[in-house]
Amino acid sequence: DIQMTQSPSSLSASVGDRVTITCRASQGVDNYLAWFQQKPGKAPKSLIYAASNLQSGVPSKFSGSGSGTDFTLTISSLQPEDFATYYCQQYNTYPITFGQGTRLEIK
Amino acid sequence: EVQLVESGGGLVQPGGSLRLSCAASGFTLSDHYMDWVRQAPGKGLEWVGRTRDRVNSYTTQYAASVKGRFTISRDDSKNSLFLQMNSLETEDTAVYYCARVVVTGYYFDYWGQGTLVTVSS
Repeated sequence: DIQMTQSPSSLSASVGDRVTITCRASQGVDNYLAWFQQKPGKAPKSLIYAASNLQSGVPSKFSGSGSGTDFTLTISSLQPEDFATYYCQQYNTYPITFGQGTRLEIK
Repeated sequence: EVQLVESGGGLVQPGGSLRLSCAASGFTLSDHYMDWVRQAPGKGLEWVGRTRDRVNSYTTQYAASVKGRFTISRDDSKNSLFLQMNSLETEDTAVYYCARVVVTGYYFDYWGQGTLVTVSS
């Protein structure tokens, strides 16, 4: 199975900050990489697919990059509603696997 | 508007069975792959399995942890997806989500709100 490792596991930031979350795959996944946002008690929300493409309705403050094994999610100008847990996912190879999550907290 | 609504969760004893449903609306179910994903309390997301679309003969794929115990099926005429769970173990306790897959890119777009399954004696 492809292991997805996110860093950091948790992150404290302030409103207005720009943050970057990293996701590393244990083997190459081409660009079959997605990012999801999850708030407590809620279903995940799809943010980005194919490493860098925004899902419909997702604001441009979210951006993704990378290919192969190393990927990043950047969130600019943090707002209170952005504080959540973020997951990466590879869908290049079965089984589909997720990172362990990065919890973004308000400083 | 695309909507996915799961139901059927509840408390079941170890070794028991449960069938989850996912009611889809706002799109043609037969045109999409559909997945199940679960999340144990306080834990991360775990992919459970997939059913492909009509063009791909509704073939299925499962995570090793559930293969042989869980079965994904669908009734496109009723716009419904199902997850039959047998031989349940305490480790299967989780919120179960259904998710729609965009076939042209194989990525998830919409998720349901989830249904909680608790396996306990």
